[in-house]
Amino acid sequence: DAGVTQSPTHLIKTRGQQVTLRCSPKSGHDTVSWYQQALGQGPQFIFQYYEEEERQRGNFPDRFSGHQFPNYSSELNVNALLLGDSALYLCASSFFFRGWYTEAFFGQGTRLTVV
Amino acid sequence: QKEVEQDPGPLSVPEGAIVSLNCTYSNSAFQYFMWYRQYSRKGPELLMYTYSSGNKEDGRFTAQVDKSSKYISLFIRDSQPSDSATYLCAIPTGGGNKLTFGTGTQLKVEL
Repeated sequence: DAGVTQSPTHLIKTRGQQVTLRCSPKSGHDTVSWYQQALGQGPQFIFQYYEEEERQRGNFPDRFSGHQFPNYSSELNVNALLLGDSALYLCASSFFFRGWYTEAFFGQGTRLTVV
Repeated sequence: QKEVEQDPGPLSVPEGAIVSLNCTYSNSAFQYFMWYRQYSRKGPELLMYTYSSGNKEDGRFTAQVDKSSKYISLFIRDSQPSDSATYLCAIPTGGGNKLTFGTGTQLKVEL
């Protein structure tokens, strides 16, 4: 079982550019959530996808958008990058069953640096 | 007031010490409480979770919830250098499985 895989591992972008991060959930999982973790902080919830729709959203601007594909994999897109977007971006997957979500498994994250 | 608050540390202890990590939360309606461990350059991994009040033990780790004071704790007995990591408390909030995390406490266990 490969677990949750994220790509790329590291990324350097310039202010104003756009970036796409990718996530493959753990086998058997159908729900993907994205988190932003700034240095020295806990992860902050960006949004969650289930059945290819955004189901919940945290307090992040519209520059942050996402997508979920039929195979449950997901992308996080960030437009008009700011220096403050530099962070570790984490993907977490779980399984939605009878109104409950199973334990969330996290990937190793993508370290984004905006210069 | 933040929904979940945690002392960021860092915390440095000698090998074999008992470690106490703590968080407070704001909403008395919260029912599930989780502890994640995050090694450097890795994603968080779930250590333990508890439901409502009381204690839960798993090997050297004990999670404790005091709902009257909205206080959650993680105790590590006989701490080892391999326990050196950041420990994050987390609570499912806002429905779904959105997790709200504390800041994380960085722990170093020294030989």
